[in-house]
Amino acid sequence: EPEVTQTPSHQVTQMGQEVILRCVPISNHLYFYWYRQILGQKVEFLVSFYNNEISEKSEIFDDQFSVERPDGSNFTLKIRSTKLEDSAMYFCASNGLAGRIDTDTQYFGPGTRLTVL
Amino acid sequence: DAKTTQPPSMDCAEGRAANLPCNHSTISGNEYVYWYRQIHSQGPQYIIHGLKNNETNEMASLIITEDRKSSTLILPHATLRDTAVYYCIVRVRWGDFGNEKLTFGTGTRLTIIP
Repeated sequence: EPEVTQTPSHQVTQMGQEVILRCVPISNHLYFYWYRQILGQKVEFLVSFYNNEISEKSEIFDDQFSVERPDGSNFTLKIRSTKLEDSAMYFCASNGLAGRIDTDTQYFGPGTRLTVL
Repeated sequence: DAKTTQPPSMDCAEGRAANLPCNHSTISGNEYVYWYRQIHSQGPQYIIHGLKNNETNEMASLIITEDRKSSTLILPHATLRDTAVYYCIVRVRWGDFGNEKLTFGTGTRLTIIP
């Protein structure tokens, strides 16, 4: 069964450093998302991406964040200068097949645990 | 702006049916009810969704009341592996930004007891 994969599973970084979190969405999916979950808190939407553009972003997704689909398979989230409060689980999700409006269910990856020291 | 209300926690004996309620009294006509679960800190796992008819798949059944103001997720024979946080989410499927984002609440922490 197709699944969303994410690497690395755990990333430790120093405050102020740049990190790139990687995701491989389900093949042929057209819509991509990043969510995050701070320990003990709700899963929060960060950004959605379609047709090489950001479709929607939350207030959390400020200028320190960026997303990119560098090739036909990867979808990345970059945090330019990490802060302590960026420590969280980051989840990638994907959905949507061309011409199929019934494929809107979002499927999530296992997440990357980001620890900022 | 919680659109759904769920009990914070529930227990269920292993092998019994787990019935998880969700209130969504302000649901709009074009909004669907989705259920996801999260085991430990893993990625949310899709379970089932519906508009107004009852739905069943290999994981669960979803019962939506006729007025659509509430629903119940049923896990027919709960196992220890069903221990998780269960989220009830209402959303349109396709909105102004294409596919609509998911807005998670705090969910119900279901504990399956041996």
